[in-house]
This record gives sequence, C-alpha cells and structure tokens, in this order.
Amino acid sequence: EVQLVESGGGLIQPGGSLRLSCAASGFTVSNKYMSWVRQAPGRGLEWVSVIYSGYNTHYADSVKGRFTISRDTSKNTVYLQMNSLRAEDTAVYYCARVIAARLAFDIWGQGTMVTVSS
Amino acid sequence: QSALTQPASVSGSPGQSITISCTGTSSDVGGYNYVSWYQHHPGNAPKFLIYEVSNRPSGVSNRFSGSKSGNTASLTISGLQAEDEADYYCSSYTSRSTYVFGTGTKVTVL
Repeated sequence: EVQLVESGGGLIQPGGSLRLSCAASGFTVSNKYMSWVRQAPGRGLEWVSVIYSGYNTHYADSVKGRFTISRDTSKNTVYLQMNSLRAEDTAVYYCARVIAARLAFDIWGQGTMVTVSS
Repeated sequence: QSALTQPASVSGSPGQSITISCTGTSSDVGGYNYVSWYQHHPGNAPKFLIYEVSNRPSGVSNRFSGSKSGNTASLTISGLQAEDEADYYCSSYTSRSTYVFGTGTKVTVL
C-alpha cells in the first residue's frame, strides 16, 4: 500500500528547531518529487517546500532561509528541518507526493502538529 | 506568492450542482495547465480530486469536474451529496517552480 507517515511534531519554543520526518511505503522517494504543505489553526492549506530530482529544492517565501527539505533514500524518508521557529509556524504539517508529469499532490500523509509557543 | 482566491463558502441542496472558482494570475493559473483540486475533511488527509485542470484520478467520482478560462479555474460538483460537505482547495504550479494553494471553500449541503 502506498502510504506516507509523518512524525516529529510537538511543542517548541520560539526560536527553536524541529525536524519533521515523512516515512514512505509502497514507493521509493529517491525518484519522486516530494513536498510539505501546512495548515495553521483555522486557516487554509499553505504550500511550504518541494524537493525535485537530485537536490533541486524550492521554498515558500515565508520559510525560505529557515526551513530545509531533504531526503534519505536509505531510509525512504523525507525530512523538513525547521529552524528559527516562529508562532506563525504553528500548524499541522502534511507530507505529500508530487506526480512529476502532472505537478499535483496525489498521496498525502495524516499530518503532524507543530506548536510554537513559550 | 499570494494565495489563489476562492469563495469562502458555497452551498447547495442534495442533487444540485455547485461551482467553486479559483482565481490567480498569469504566473500561476493562467500560465500553466497544472491546476489541481483537493477535498479536505478536517482531521483527515486531503484527497486528490482533479489534476491538469480537468482530469480525474482513478477512483474519483465523475460528479467532480474541472475547467479553466484565463486566470480562473473552476471545480463543479454535480448531483451534490451529503458526503461532499468538506473544504475544497485549488492549487497551481507557478513560474517560480513553486506551488500555491487557494484560500479554500467550505461546501455546505443544505
């Protein structure tokens, strides 16, 4: 079964760091485009980051310079390293697979909650 | 990158058809046919409904259809059912090789 499972969320103080993980099963992340999308409480979906082939990565302006997306093919896992966290980063973070030829998000995880608060 | 503009809410009676608009710019919706749509029941993972403006993935009901004219894409739900009550989001690829989502539309079945 094709599946994505996120982990690593929690309560973190402003200015802190957190690393989210997205474990994939049923397919290999090494040859897929993978993305992170978040939803703040009471708000809509917001695209955060994508990793294309190789190390080609892109970020939303709101997280550029603070977040880093990466993948470990040996663990079949995608990561989101989040530094200098702010209250406005509080959200459910979803991992999603991107269909390369369609540039659409076809598989989504259940999400992991990140709360940035003192 | 500003979010694509969607109506905050749309409602309809069972069996009716409703349409949700998604307005962007020539740098996203108007410039590419990579517009997709998602259904989101709060607490669940979003569900993939439409890709490349008007194509349905395998398993998605043909009651869902998409279209685009200029900078505005649309999702139509025909034969509205109680289970269609959810939040709906459009998304587009952009000229910066990034993505942008719509502001989201809450669909209510009366």
